[in-house]
Amino acid sequence: NAGVTQTPKFQVLKTGQSMTLQCAQDMNHEYMSWYRQDPGMGLRLIHYSVGAGITDQGEVPNGYNVSRSTTEDFPLRLLSAAPSQTSVYFCASSYKGGTYEQYFGPGTRLTVT
Amino acid sequence: TQLLEQSPQFLSIQEGENLTVYCNSSSVFSSLQWYRQEPGEGPVLLVTVVTGGEVKKLKRLTFQFGDARKDSSLHITAAQTGDTGLYLCAGALGNEKLTFGTGTRLTIIP
Repeated sequence: NAGVTQTPKFQVLKTGQSMTLQCAQDMNHEYMSWYRQDPGMGLRLIHYSVGAGITDQGEVPNGYNVSRSTTEDFPLRLLSAAPSQTSVYFCASSYKGGTYEQYFGPGTRLTVT
Repeated sequence: TQLLEQSPQFLSIQEGENLTVYCNSSSVFSSLQWYRQEPGEGPVLLVTVVTGGEVKKLKRLTFQFGDARKDSSLHITAAQTGDTGLYLCAGALGNEKLTFGTGTRLTIIP
């Protein structure tokens, strides 16, 4: 099993550009989520999904869109990048229900200039 | 508003010493998880505690969930350089959303 994979590993964008961060998991987990990690802030939930076709907002959803067409994939879209979106982004998955123990991907380091 | 506060934020100690890090909240959690994160990688789950007063041991690491399920601690005995990393606690409020703490960055000096 590859677990949770994320691409790209690094990305530099200019203000106003758009891009999609890819996330895939091969563990048949129903629950998937996106977090951003900033110094001193811990991990903050952006969006999450409890199954294909179902998504919901987390703590910091503004400026980000998601969709979940399959169990395996959960892409995160930045429609118009802003410097405030400079961060490290982590995708995670878990079984639905119980304690939602998270399996994290390796992260994408995004810089917006 | 940060629901989970971790202390200390930074900790640097000599190899062989003992240490405790804390995770505190005013909210009651249905369960609490501890993760360790190394530079350039995603967090990795260490343990989950679900019952007030529960104590779990993972080799030299001891995790405790407070009786009221509002706080937790992580105690490391005889720290080793391999324990270096960012330690994160995360609480579940009874739904599918996890709230992460601010993290404790631990450095073990050889």
